[in-house]
Amino acid sequence: EAGVTQFPSHSVIEKGQTVTLRCDPISGHDNLYWYRRVMGKEIKFLLHFVKESKQDESGMPNNRFLAERTGGTYSTLKVQPAELEDSGVYFCASSPDRTGPGTQYFGPGTRLLVL
Amino acid sequence: AQSVTQPDIHITVSEGASLELRCNYSYGATPYLFWYVQSPGQGLQLLLKYFSGDTLVQGIKGFEAEFKRSQSSFNLRKPSVHWSDAAEYFCAVCTTSGTYKYIFGTGTRLKVLA
Repeated sequence: EAGVTQFPSHSVIEKGQTVTLRCDPISGHDNLYWYRRVMGKEIKFLLHFVKESKQDESGMPNNRFLAERTGGTYSTLKVQPAELEDSGVYFCASSPDRTGPGTQYFGPGTRLLVL
Repeated sequence: AQSVTQPDIHITVSEGASLELRCNYSYGATPYLFWYVQSPGQGLQLLLKYFSGDTLVQGIKGFEAEFKRSQSSFNLRKPSVHWSDAAEYFCAVCTTSGTYKYIFGTGTRLKVLA
């Protein structure tokens, strides 16, 4: 069974540019989560999808971040325009459980550097 | 406020020595607790989890953790560390109000000396 995959693994962009991160969850997992780790800090929750619906986006930093989940399959996280403080590692996770706090399976992350 | 504290940012142990990584949580309800490990270039891998029942939990790679409600702790242990255990370790609690999202500690980076 393939795990959670993320693309790209690394991205270096200039301030003001746009970047789109992609996450492919484990097949059949309805729950998809985005997290971010800024250097030296803890991994923080950004948002949660159940299928194609946003269940909780309380962790999204501001309106420069837009997440979508097309058809309840893969998800994209777009940052437009990127700022220096957006640098960090963006993790995606998926989970099959809908009735309880099940295990989340994490991807390898996308390392974003904004110059 | 809900939080997870990992007091040790870096830990260095010799190969073959025992290991204990500390984790304290602050959460009002019954905590659902996890330990993940991230090796260089890899994603977060689940080591073990505690939901209920026996407070001593066995995980993969020879790791175990003990849930102590009175101390709000969920420390990770391994009796004999291998060089391949060098990685970053994260403790997390899963919230149960609203969405099931994780609150992570800041991580502990483990270095293993040969």
